[in-house]
Parts: sequence; structure tokens; C-alpha cells
Amino acid sequence: EDQVTQSPEALRLQEGESSSLNCSYTVSGLRGLFWYRQDPGKGPEFLFTLYSAGEEKEKERLKATLTKKESFLHITAPKPEDSATYLCAVRFAGGTSYGKLTFGQGTILTVHP
Amino acid sequence: DAGVIQSPRHEVTEMGQEVTLRCKPISGHDYLFWYRQTMMRGLELLIYFNNNVPIDDSGMPEDRFSAKMPNASFSTLKIQPSEPRDSAVYFCASSPTIEGENIQYFGAGTRLSVL
Repeated sequence: EDQVTQSPEALRLQEGESSSLNCSYTVSGLRGLFWYRQDPGKGPEFLFTLYSAGEEKEKERLKATLTKKESFLHITAPKPEDSATYLCAVRFAGGTSYGKLTFGQGTILTVHP
Repeated sequence: DAGVIQSPRHEVTEMGQEVTLRCKPISGHDYLFWYRQTMMRGLELLIYFNNNVPIDDSGMPEDRFSAKMPNASFSTLKIQPSEPRDSAVYFCASSPTIEGENIQYFGAGTRLSVL
């Protein structure tokens, strides 16, 4: 069964303390890995898409990387406004699943000033 | 564009009542998705449409749930009769067909409480 697992469930950082979030997956065929940010009371907001092992993308203090079995979201020198839930989602290959994303449980990030 | 618009933002109802959630996707997007989010199960796909046609409804929990998309700018998710275990945040998302990509854009959600 295709699965997406995120770790840790929650992460508390001091402002400026860099760290990484993990998303591991078991799929029969990967057609894209997506990172979203979700603030309380809002819908998920798209951050990155990665398609092949070795690919990296950056946006401000965030950098996403992808291997054959997992993805990392690196947060460099975080600020309190980076506090949110970060969701990983995977799109699998084939059949009617073209548009379908399977989401992980998310990592709740809290950055203290 | 105003983004994906969902209504109502909050709904409180009593067990056994019918509930209808509404969604207006981003203009030009040909995919529409309905998700449910709970603390226990996270974000789960219920059903999705392509060009107004339901493609995969395997996530719909049971016959009490139904979804329609009568045209490209409107979709509904109906629960009849509602039960307390249906309490959750329901999200609608839409995406365009771009070769190699399928970025989904989410609405703000409807928080449903069934008493």
C-alpha cells in the first residue's frame, strides 16, 4: 500500500536554529512530491513540487530535497512567522490516480523568538 | 483571481440533518477535489472531478456522502443524514492541467460540527 510518513510530529525551535523535516514514502511509482504549509484556520498553501531524485528547490529560508525514498524540508535560520504545519503529499503513477495526492500527517513547527 | 471559494466557513448542525457544502474553483481549473481533515486521520481525499466528471470517489466514507459538479464553476458536497463523527474541516481544492504538474490550490475550508 502506498504510504506517506512525516517526522517528527512536532518540532520546537528557537529563532535562528536550523533544522529539517522528513517525509518518507513507499510508492509503486512516484509522479511528484509536494510540500504545503498550513496555518491555523486556513487551507494548505503550496510551497514546492519535486519530481526526481536529486532535485532541490528553494524559497527564502526553505529548501526541499528529494531522494528515491524520502524528502527533506530544510529550514535555515527560522523566524517565528515560519511557525505552521508542514504537509507532504505524494502523487502516484497510473490509472485514475493522475490527480490524486496522498498526504502525510504533517509536522507542526513552532519557532520561538 | 479570488482563489478557491468555499461556503459556509462554519456550519453547526444537529445529528440527522442534511448538510450541503459549496465550492467555487479557480476559473480555468479543470480538476476539483474534496478533502476532509481531522486530527486523527489527517487530510483525506474524498472525491475528485475532472471536467465536471467524477473520477475517483473511493474516499467517500459511505452512502450518506454525495458530491456533484453541475458545471465548471460550482461543486457541492452533501451529507445526509449527518452524524457526529462527520465533524471535521472540509476542504475543496482545484488544479489546472499542466503537463508534468498538478498543483492543487486549496480553499479556506468549512468547519463542520454535528451535535
